[in-house]
Amino acid sequence: NAGVTQTPKFQVLKTGQSMTLQCAQDMNHEYMSWYRQDPGMGLRLIHYSVGAGITDQGEVPNGYNVSRSTTEDFPLRLLSAAPSQTSVYFCASGQSGELFFGEGSRLTVL
Amino acid sequence: KQEVTQIPAALSVPEGENLVLNCSFTDSAIYNLQWFRQDPGKGLTSLLLIQSSQREQTSGRLNASLDKSSGRSTLYIAASQPGDSATYLCAVRRKTSYDKVIFGPGTSLSVIP
Repeated sequence: NAGVTQTPKFQVLKTGQSMTLQCAQDMNHEYMSWYRQDPGMGLRLIHYSVGAGITDQGEVPNGYNVSRSTTEDFPLRLLSAAPSQTSVYFCASGQSGELFFGEGSRLTVL
Repeated sequence: KQEVTQIPAALSVPEGENLVLNCSFTDSAIYNLQWFRQDPGKGLTSLLLIQSSQREQTSGRLNASLDKSSGRSTLYIAASQPGDSATYLCAVRRKTSYDKVIFGPGTSLSVIP
């Protein structure tokens, strides 16, 4: 069972570059979300989606863009990367109130 | 606003001990509470999910309890093993903001052989 799959696992960007973190799930979950995890700050919600075509902002949405064209995929876009976006990013999907996480994507912005 | 805290931030115990991890939340109007473990450099693994109508959940050596009125949940680990060493996080889903799950900062557990 693949569960929640995130790519890439590691990425280094220069300030101002753009990139997309991919997230796919094969559990037919309607709910998907993106978190970032930083030392001393814990896990913070960036954006979430309750179904295809529906997205909403979480706690720290600035600098990030999302879309949900299919149930399976929920990509996170950084339009102009900044050093403050250096973090570990986690994608999660959910059913009946229970969350399942991917392995994470470690992003460094120089 | 829901705030979630976990005490202690770090815990070191000898192998075989029973231990309790604590999770506190400020808004008792929750939908559910979920406990996770996170190994270094890895994602979060779901351990137990407690619905608001439940008092506890058990899985193997793990038992989680929920007391909404006091805003507390505890994770009890029996007969701890070195393989239990990890960071344990609790996450709360509020009834009024169902889609926004709030995480505690975690407790880093080290079980010494």
